[in-house]
Amino acid sequence: DIQMTQSPSTLSASVGDRVTITCRASQTIGNWLAWYQQKPGKAPKLLIYKASNLANGVPSRFSGSGSGTEFTLTIGSLQPDDSATYFCQQYNSYSHTFGQGTKLEIK
Amino acid sequence: QVTLRESGPALVKPTQTLTLTCTFSGFSLRTSGMCVSWVRQPPGKALEWLALIDWDDDKFYSTSLKTRLTISKDTSKNRVVLTMTNMDPVDTATYYCARIIAVAAKPYYGLDVWGQGTTVTVSS
Repeated sequence: DIQMTQSPSTLSASVGDRVTITCRASQTIGNWLAWYQQKPGKAPKLLIYKASNLANGVPSRFSGSGSGTEFTLTIGSLQPDDSATYFCQQYNSYSHTFGQGTKLEIK
Repeated sequence: QVTLRESGPALVKPTQTLTLTCTFSGFSLRTSGMCVSWVRQPPGKALEWLALIDWDDDKFYSTSLKTRLTISKDTSKNRVVLTMTNMDPVDTATYYCARIIAVAAKPYYGLDVWGQGTTVTVSS
């Protein structure tokens, strides 16, 4: 199976900061990568699909980039509502593995 | 509006078989490209992808769990059922179903709409 490794595991930043989360695949996945945001007690919400495409209704401060094995999720100007855990997921193969998650806290 | 809702027992005993149902609306598994996937999340841990079924009745399973999982669909009732055999306390988790839209045999948009999840505890 393709393994997905996210970094960092936890992140603390201030409102207005630019934040970057990285996801690395154990083998190339093209651009078949999604990012999700999950708040406590809630289902994940799709943010980015196909590495860099913003899902419907997602604020433009979120962006994704990368291809092959290295991907990033960037929040351009951190807002209080962005406190959450973020997961990447590859769907190049039909075993759709997730990263271990990055917990983002607002200082 | 697309919605999905998971249902099933909140508590199962070790060695029992778990049966979960995903009831959805706003799309049909008769439509080319439509798929439903199951994902679980143990308390405080990461998401784990489990299984997928597509409009053409193709089925795909997690490599590590495929001997225990069966996914099926009832197109007339807009339902997808996941069974997991030989349940163990480590299978305690919230189980989610989610929609996938496939384009050219790829889940193009990822998991675009999720259910709220159903929590399953495995304990004697």
